[in-house]
This record gives sequence, C-alpha cells and structure tokens, in this order.
Amino acid sequence: SYELTQPLSVSVALGQTARITCGGNNIGSKNVHWYQQKPGQAPVLVIYRDNNRPSGIPERFSGSKSGNTATLTISRAQAGDEADYYCQVWDSSISWVFGGGTKLTVL
Amino acid sequence: QVQLVESGGGVVQPGGSLRLSCAASGFSFSSHGMHWVRQAPGKGLEWVTFIPYDGINKYYADSVRGRFTISRDNSKNTLFLQMNSLRAEDTALYYCAKEWGGALDYWGQGTLVTVSS
Repeated sequence: SYELTQPLSVSVALGQTARITCGGNNIGSKNVHWYQQKPGQAPVLVIYRDNNRPSGIPERFSGSKSGNTATLTISRAQAGDEADYYCQVWDSSISWVFGGGTKLTVL
Repeated sequence: QVQLVESGGGVVQPGGSLRLSCAASGFSFSSHGMHWVRQAPGKGLEWVTFIPYDGINKYYADSVRGRFTISRDNSKNTLFLQMNSLRAEDTALYYCAKEWGGALDYWGQGTLVTVSS
C-alpha cells in the first residue's frame, strides 16, 4: 500500500517561514492536498492539488513539489498557525492516503 | 454554508455493532462523493471508506473491509456507516467529509466511537 512520510514535528520562530515536507514514491505524479488540524477541531483543507488555496486560506500558505517530496510552506508564521498538518493523496489502488502528520510549533 | 453533522457514536463492546449517520446540508448532496475518516485518540488521520454520488461502487481501507459498510440516502441527504465486529482498535473519532477532486474539502466535527468491555 502507498505511504506518505512526514516529520513528526517542525518548529519555526514567530514571523519566519515554516516548511513541512511529505515524501512518497512517485509523488510527482499525484495531486497532493494539505490539511490543518488545530486541537479539538476538525481538519481544514489549506492546499489542494499541490499548490492551490481554497477560499479563505491566507496567501501565507503555499504548496510545491520536487522529486519525491511535496512541501507545505507557511510564510510569516503566526501563533495561530500552531497545529497538526497532514498531507494526502489519492492512490490508484482506489484509496485515499494520509501522511502521519506533522506538529508545527511556533516559537 | 456546508454543514456535516455526525451522530450515532457511543460505547460498544468488542464484537458489537454501531451505525453512524452524517446529516449534510448547504450543498447538492446527491452530486458528491462522501468519505468517512477516523482518528484514534492522539493519533493521525486514517481514511476509512468512500462512496460516490450514486452509491454504486464503494471503497474501503483494508483495516475495515468486510466489517464496515458505507451507504447513503440521497433523498434524506444522509450518509451512513454500519460498523460490525468492532474491535478495540476501531476506537476513534469518526468524521464524515465531502469529496472534491481527490481532496476532502468539508469535514464534520466527528462522533466518538469507543470499543471497550
């Protein structure tokens, strides 16, 4: 079965840029989506199809891909960005796969 | 606005059954596929099952195939998850979510299922 690998945690200083990676075999051929989940809340879609922001998501959130890695970039990090972030793809085995999640801490 | 409201969670003994519901509003329910995704306490997200808009083909994670059944009633804008032969490892918060081109663009707040003797 297909697997996505994320770092367990990422730290960023307030106002700096955070980058959260998501690795997967041949991920370049798949659409990658990213979700933000704050404690006690449901996940929220923040990036879809690699680098598109849904309505209402700040421009500070962006996505990219290179080789076997997708990256969620959060510019000018704020305290309110502290959350768990998950990447997700649709796999041809007809399944939706989530990464293990990354806890973002804003220092 | 889109609203998804799950219900039906509770405490059940191992081997027992439970039926979850998800009431949808604010969008054309009969035109969209729907998912169930779960999250065990302190753990990450796990996709469980998907049903397309017409309910014809259904897809399941290996961990639940043969025990869980997804269904929908488009006349009542409601999604269901019948869970049988429940195990301790099925303990989780269960979310319903709307499908959107491979992504899940709206999520409910979840309903908690606890499998314990």
